[in-house]
Amino acid sequence: SAVISQKPSRDICQRGTSLTIQCQVDSQVTMMFWYRQQPGQSLTLIATANQGSEATYESGFVIDKFPISRPNLTFSTLTVSNMSPEDSSIYLCSVSPGQGKPQHFGDGTRLSIL
Amino acid sequence: DAKTTQPTSMDCAEGRAANLPCNHSTISGNEYVYWYRQIHSQGPQYIIHGLKNNETNEMASLIITEDRKSSTLILPHATLRDTAVYYCIVRVEFDNFNKFYFGSGTKLNVKP
Repeated sequence: SAVISQKPSRDICQRGTSLTIQCQVDSQVTMMFWYRQQPGQSLTLIATANQGSEATYESGFVIDKFPISRPNLTFSTLTVSNMSPEDSSIYLCSVSPGQGKPQHFGDGTRLSIL
Repeated sequence: DAKTTQPTSMDCAEGRAANLPCNHSTISGNEYVYWYRQIHSQGPQYIIHGLKNNETNEMASLIITEDRKSSTLILPHATLRDTAVYYCIVRVEFDNFNKFYFGSGTKLNVKP
């Protein structure tokens, strides 16, 4: 199964600043996904990141707020821009290893905005 | 994607079987039933999935009704470490472009 590493594991940031979260996979994967989990809530899909093309965002999420990079088949970044306290959440990366294989998740980045 | 309905929470005694139900009455013929769980402070963990036949692996069993409108995840001998939120998701089979949309899940409390 794919091993996913996210950095940082947690951070406390000031409002108005931006933070870039990294997601590294130990094998090449076509699709990577970014989720947000607000306190006490379920996971919400932010966007799908395909290598070599722009990310596809879900309703309610925009590129200016959550820019995503996917420079190669094992790495992606999610930036949370101009942060406010409402952005305090866990941000999770997941990968789809391929046809018929279960989707795997990282342990997330816990972000608190003061 | 078909929507799923799960109870908000359930309790189970340690060592007993935990039976977690899921309703998916609008499931399509090519949609699978997937189960994931999320233990506190961790990312979701894949448990099992199936189309129409019952499935079993080292973690759990999945029982799908004949009409496929509901299913039950069975943890045969629950331990305290099985305390988690369990998510039932219906989707076409895993592929490179598969998106998962999570519902609210069931919080399973395993008690000594």
